[in-house]
Amino acid sequence: EAGVVQSPRYKIIEKKQPVAFWCNPISGHNTLYWYRQNLGQGPELLIRYENEEAVDDSQLPKDRFSAERLKGVDSTLKIQPAELGDSAVYLCASSLILRNEAFFGQGTRLTVV
Amino acid sequence: GENVEQHPSTLSVQEGDSAVIKCTYSDSASNYFPWYKQELGKGPQLIIDIRSNVGEKKDQRIAVTLNKTAKHFSLHITETQPEDSAVYFCGPTDSWGKLQFGAGTQVVVTP
Repeated sequence: EAGVVQSPRYKIIEKKQPVAFWCNPISGHNTLYWYRQNLGQGPELLIRYENEEAVDDSQLPKDRFSAERLKGVDSTLKIQPAELGDSAVYLCASSLILRNEAFFGQGTRLTVV
Repeated sequence: GENVEQHPSTLSVQEGDSAVIKCTYSDSASNYFPWYKQELGKGPQLIIDIRSNVGEKKDQRIAVTLNKTAKHFSLHITETQPEDSAVYFCGPTDSWGKLQFGAGTQVVVTP
């Protein structure tokens, strides 16, 4: 069975440009998470979906970040415009509702120059 | 919100020795306690977990112990091998499914 798939793996953009990340969760997983991981730190939750509904987006910087999960399956995370401080690894994870085990993708490493 | 602390931040062990990492948390509503292993260039991978109604769980060379009263849980790795070298994260989770990671522990196993 395929795990969580993220693309692209790497992205280099100039500051003020937009960028988007895509995540395909494990089949059947209702819950989807986006995390940001800065170098040498633990992942920080940006947003959590249950099906199509964002149930926790309290840590998403809404002035420049947006996310969507159409049809409750794939999800995209967008940054517009990107800033130098957005350089990080963006991780997507999924799990079954009422089951806490979260499975992570390989992440997208974003470098803003 | 949840305050999660891991100790130590780095751990160097000789191959064959044991390693122990401790995670303390503040949210008494946490009821699920996983440990994740992250290798370079990869996402975190769940290696063992424990729920609040259990005190200890073992899976081959790894084990997790939970002290809910004191709000801490620990990862134990016995007979360490070079492939155990990685960053380990604890992630106490509340009943709403909110997972908060610690800052991580870099484990280096030297042959």
